[in-house]
Amino acid sequence: SYVLTQPPSVSVAPGKTARITCGGNNIGSKSVHWYQQKPGQAPVLVIYYDSDRPSGIPERFSGSNSGNTATLTISRVEAGDEADYSCQVWDSSSDRVVFGGGTKLTVL
Amino acid sequence: QLQLQQSGPGLVKPSETLSLTCTVSGGSISSSVYYWGWIRQPPGKGLEWIGSMYYSGSTYYNPSLKSRVTISVDTSKNQFSLKLSSVTAADTAVYYCARSVAGVTRNFDYWGQGTLVTVSS
Repeated sequence: SYVLTQPPSVSVAPGKTARITCGGNNIGSKSVHWYQQKPGQAPVLVIYYDSDRPSGIPERFSGSNSGNTATLTISRVEAGDEADYSCQVWDSSSDRVVFGGGTKLTVL
Repeated sequence: QLQLQQSGPGLVKPSETLSLTCTVSGGSISSSVYYWGWIRQPPGKGLEWIGSMYYSGSTYYNPSLKSRVTISVDTSKNQFSLKLSSVTAADTAVYYCARSVAGVTRNFDYWGQGTLVTVSS
């Protein structure tokens, strides 16, 4: 089955850039989506189709996907960005939705 | 604005069947553009997809849960439901319903509020 691998944690200082990776076999051939989840809340879609932002999501959030790694980039990080971030794909070969294990972003 | 409202018990006994319902408002569950799915998150762990269905009734499930899962739709009530049978403590989790876009993306753009289901006698 298809597996997505994320680092458990990433730390960044306010105002700096955070990069959260999502690794998978030839993930560049799939559409990758990213969710932000704050404690006690439902996930919120922040990036879909590799790099598109839903309405209401700040331009500071961007995404890229190539080869075996997809990346969520958060520029000018704010304290309010502290949350868990999860990547997700649809594996068409098995008709299965797959989530990464999630990355906790800490703002120092 | 689309809203998904979940309902169902927060406590289920081991070996029994977990049942949750998701009521959709602000949009039709019969749209051909979307799937409707269930995702769960055990305490302190990541998201796990359970399964999704189309308004026509076609379904696809996580193979690891397929033998115990049934997702069904009631278009007259604009609702869809989850049943998970023979539950154990390992099924304790926050359960979410969500809408996903049909086609090759299958991203989840609207989510319910989540229901913590505890499996305990």
